[in-house]
Amino acid sequence: NAGVTQTPKFQVLKTGQSMTLQCAQDMNHNSMYWYRQDPGMGLRLIYYSASEGTTDKGEVPNGYNVSRLNKREFSLRLESAAPSQTSVYFCASSERSGAGATNEKLFFGSGTQLSVL
Amino acid sequence: GENVEQHPSTLSVQEGDSAVIKCTYSDSASNYFPWYKQELGKGPQLIIDIRSNVGEKKDQRIAVTLNKTAKHFSLHITETQPEDSAVYFCAASHYNNNDMRFGAGTRLTVKP
Repeated sequence: NAGVTQTPKFQVLKTGQSMTLQCAQDMNHNSMYWYRQDPGMGLRLIYYSASEGTTDKGEVPNGYNVSRLNKREFSLRLESAAPSQTSVYFCASSERSGAGATNEKLFFGSGTQLSVL
Repeated sequence: GENVEQHPSTLSVQEGDSAVIKCTYSDSASNYFPWYKQELGKGPQLIIDIRSNVGEKKDQRIAVTLNKTAKHFSLHITETQPEDSAVYFCAASHYNNNDMRFGAGTRLTVKP
């Protein structure tokens, strides 16, 4: 039982390049989330998926797109990377679906450290 | 939207002492308040949580208190150990949305 798995662990991009961060969970959870973590700012929600087939914007969605490929997988895409997107990205999941899905324990992956030069 | 403030940003204590981290929130409709511990190179992990119908919750050396009137909640760690050294995040969530807001984090160092 691996929990939440993120790939890659590290990535360096040049400004304007694109890439996709992958996330998969094996806990049969309904909701999945993408957060970014910056020094002194805690974790901020980028996008979430409160059930298979749905996605919604979080606090900081600009410059990102997401795909809920199936119940297990939730990917985050940067179409044209910018230095402001240098951050550590965390995927998380929770069992509940729909509104209020974050009103319970979140399970986090180990993160992707992304640098955009 | 919700705004969560966390203090202090860094905290250093001697092994065996107690540590207290405080958070305030702005949205009176928030009703779920978790605390996460993040060790170096890892993702955050839930250590304790409290809901708005409870004023205090304990789990061995860890306790959380909630004051709904003042809109603040605190994490208390007693008999600290070196393995308690980590970054701790508080958060607040509303039952009817999916935008849990996190505090900026507290780096706790426990000196042996």
